Amino acid sequence: GAVVSQHPSWVICKSGTSVKIECRSLDFQATTMFWYRQFPKQSLMLMATSNEGSKATYEQGVEKDKFLINHASLTLSTLTVTSAHPEDSSFYICSARDWRGTSGVSTDTQYFGPGTRLTVL
Amino acid sequence: GESVGLHLPTLSVQEGDNSIINCAYSNSASDYFIWYKQESGKGPQFIIDIRSNMDKRQGQRVTVLLNKTVKHLSLQIAATQPGDSAVYFCAETKAAGNKLTFGGGTRVLVKP
Repeated sequence: GAVVSQHPSWVICKSGTSVKIECRSLDFQATTMFWYRQFPKQSLMLMATSNEGSKATYEQGVEKDKFLINHASLTLSTLTVTSAHPEDSSFYICSARDWRGTSGVSTDTQYFGPGTRLTVL
Repeated sequence: GESVGLHLPTLSVQEGDNSIINCAYSNSASDYFIWYKQESGKGPQFIIDIRSNMDKRQGQRVTVLLNKTVKHLSLQIAATQPGDSAVYFCAETKAAGNKLTFGGGTRVLVKP
């Protein structure tokens, strides 16, 4: 249980285009999902907290108009990188909080997706 | 702001030996701590967690120790195996289920 998937696993796009990344909790409901960005050989940095049915909460320094987050259901959150530029190239990772314990494990644990490698040319 | 530990040191360990990974945290209000393992090109994988009302918790081949007095967290891996080679991150949060603050990570290299 407690599986989180991301799609796509990798994407290459041209500068100026938009890219959508999906994060799904496959066997549990997640009212809260988190989006992280990770540069090579660095730690994960939280970008935003995505709450089902409400607006996302962005961390300081993260442009909300550039990184659009939608959490339309209890199992799906999407991150859209708008007008992508080479400096947006990174590893984007989502996590989902199993708040009801439906996975059968702790209700406090965040489960991470496999990540999406974005390369902007 | 508050932050958690490390700046990606590397720990080289002989296969079969025990590994100890350390993490310092600065937010005394944190009450939930987690260790994650991340293999190259993959997302973090949950290893073990501990709440602030405990000082030790054991899992399969892993033990987490929490010293709230000095704000220190450690992960012990018994009989380290080649499959344990990865980057290990500690993370903390003020309230369980809330956003996590990650440490810098430690790379573990297991030598055969």
